[in-house]
Amino acid sequence: DTAVSQTPKYLVTQMGNDKSIKCEQNLGHDTMYWYKQDSKKFLKIMFSYNNKELIINETVPNRFSPKSPDKAHLNLHINSLELGDSAVYFCASSRSGTSGNNEQFFGPGTRLTVL
Amino acid sequence: GQNIDQPTEMTATEGAIVQINCTYQTSGFNGLFWYQQHAGEAPTFLSYNVLDGLEEKGRFSSFLSRSKGYSYLLLKELQMKDSASYLCAVRKSGYSTLTFGKGTMLLVSP
Repeated sequence: DTAVSQTPKYLVTQMGNDKSIKCEQNLGHDTMYWYKQDSKKFLKIMFSYNNKELIINETVPNRFSPKSPDKAHLNLHINSLELGDSAVYFCASSRSGTSGNNEQFFGPGTRLTVL
Repeated sequence: GQNIDQPTEMTATEGAIVQINCTYQTSGFNGLFWYQQHAGEAPTFLSYNVLDGLEEKGRFSSFLSRSKGYSYLLLKELQMKDSASYLCAVRKSGYSTLTFGKGTMLLVSP
């Protein structure tokens, strides 16, 4: 059983398009995250959601918008794609809470290429 | 803000021991995590430290000194499959999110 799944695995699109990446977790976790990993492999937090509320919104462009229909899903919508958006996007989930070992479980990643 | 430093690359030989260091600067430290990431795959959790000292888990151990802002990951009896990137990540008090270092690429050779 896949704990954290993402679709699609690969996404190739033109500049200016709008695209979505879906994420689902079956671990019963309350908190979900989106990360961007650039070509230099630097993993950077973009958003986190706890019980359908955005709790951290890092300084990402407002072209990126997370949407959570329920606590098992956190989708990422990207408008007006730019070349610099090309990266691998990882979804992750964890138990809620800000203490203890609430390790994060990562999805397989979505490799986005903007042409 | 948070500043996390790790060596960019390390090499070691199969069967040897390697220590990957991580130094950090943060206000309100509340835990340090190590993750392993093989090329083209997702990061996977290795260890968690919040108190000073050594946590041992099979061939992998992680050490933390909060006063020095320092951690290391120790890998024993290296195997070829240990070739991967090792990511140090810090959690701040009051937050569940992690700030990752840029990772250390470890290459294990025969």
